[in-house]
Amino acid sequence: DSGVTQTPKHLITATGQRVTLRCSPRSGDLSVYWYQQSLDQGLQFLIQYYNGEERAKGNILERFSAQQFPDLHSELNLSSLELGDSALYFCASSVEQGMGEQYFGPGTRLTVT
Amino acid sequence: ILNVEQSPQSLHVQEGDSTNFTCSFPSSNFYALHWYRWETAKSPEALFVMTLNGDEKKKGRISATLNTKEGYSYLYIKGSQPEDSATYLCASAGGTSYGKLTFGQGTILTVHP
Repeated sequence: DSGVTQTPKHLITATGQRVTLRCSPRSGDLSVYWYQQSLDQGLQFLIQYYNGEERAKGNILERFSAQQFPDLHSELNLSSLELGDSALYFCASSVEQGMGEQYFGPGTRLTVT
Repeated sequence: ILNVEQSPQSLHVQEGDSTNFTCSFPSSNFYALHWYRWETAKSPEALFVMTLNGDEKKKGRISATLNTKEGYSYLYIKGSQPEDSATYLCASAGGTSYGKLTFGQGTILTVHP
């Protein structure tokens, strides 16, 4: 158990809908990262927050947005969902802004039908 | 090298064999090289983070080396055990942000009893 929690574990929704994925980092970690693992692709970096501020952005779609709240938990919002958004979404956390080990949560499996 | 590349894609070894994998990464604007171990149905688990050319890290039977000038890292497993079976991922942190990791596709290791 890495200490990072993600909810929900599984999510099934229809195309066009909007969902919110939630992540709570390890106690004391200030950085939160979001990754997408699609069937045919490796782990893709989406976005990083450090102490409430956006620090780095990957190839995150405009339909996706994220934020980190004062209590350091983070939410990833996915809107106008398409079939291709079906994937495993991981959240990870680290103490520092990015140089150290990242601790991954169990992931949220999103299925868009 | 523009992307992070890992070889081989998969590897089957017998219990007790020693093995190694390669990770190639862009050597310009390099910050750090991460290795993760990812077992089926679990989340990636950090093994090592290396930053300096010539770095060597060891954890039990697993060790890693780093060459930042030529852009490669090796991961070694001595005396493989069935519980070592997993996907081994490397990720490079570089470019404009420490936290933005670019992952390779992984090496799938299967250790047969």
